[in-house]
Amino acid sequence: DVKVTQSSRYLVKRTGEKVFLECVQDMDHENMFWYRQDPGLGLRLIYFSYDVKMKEKGDIPEGYSVSREKKERFSLILESASTNQTSMYLCASSLRTDKKNIQYFGAGTRLSVL
Amino acid sequence: SQELEQSPQSLIVQEGKNLTINCTSSKTLYGLYWYKQKYGEGLIFLMMLQKGGEEKSHEKITAKLDEKKQQSSLHITASQPSHAGIYLCGADPGPIQGAQKLVFGQGTRLTINP
Repeated sequence: DVKVTQSSRYLVKRTGEKVFLECVQDMDHENMFWYRQDPGLGLRLIYFSYDVKMKEKGDIPEGYSVSREKKERFSLILESASTNQTSMYLCASSLRTDKKNIQYFGAGTRLSVL
Repeated sequence: SQELEQSPQSLIVQEGKNLTINCTSSKTLYGLYWYKQKYGEGLIFLMMLQKGGEEKSHEKITAKLDEKKQQSSLHITASQPSHAGIYLCGADPGPIQGAQKLVFGQGTRLTINP
């Protein structure tokens, strides 16, 4: 089974802190994604990566950066956390050559910025 | 850009009743994915549809894609408490637009009353 693991289920941080959200997948997937999920707004793509050291902006990249130094790990970084970044963050991965393009998700990290 | 609209936004049904959730796309679907999310957790992949008129079933859940590939429905027969959660549809915008990203609907929150 595909396993996507997010390092924390819950995080509480203070405004201005630098925050790291970590995601690891064990299926040798090329593609990895970071989304945030908010009530009424659905799932919105922040950043994605289709290879090591490669990244592309999604729909809402402002205030975020990412790092992909190894194929299995994709990190989301909030350089200076703000209260409007309080949200549920979801990581996903998929096989690049798979025509089915199925994304597999982690359990999510609920981040509260105070 | 492709947009997905789900209806209804929320649904409350009596245990044992049948129900249907709809997902309508603004453009022809290259692929349509159904996911389920338990409250506060990640998304679990249910089914994928790619061909017009295609229908797939898993246990008591059946998903269909219309012939024009712009609308999909998810039907649950004899609902059970375990079916409660948020159902999301996701669309593959196709290789030209996509880079293998998915676009998601806002979700349908399903509550099952005993």
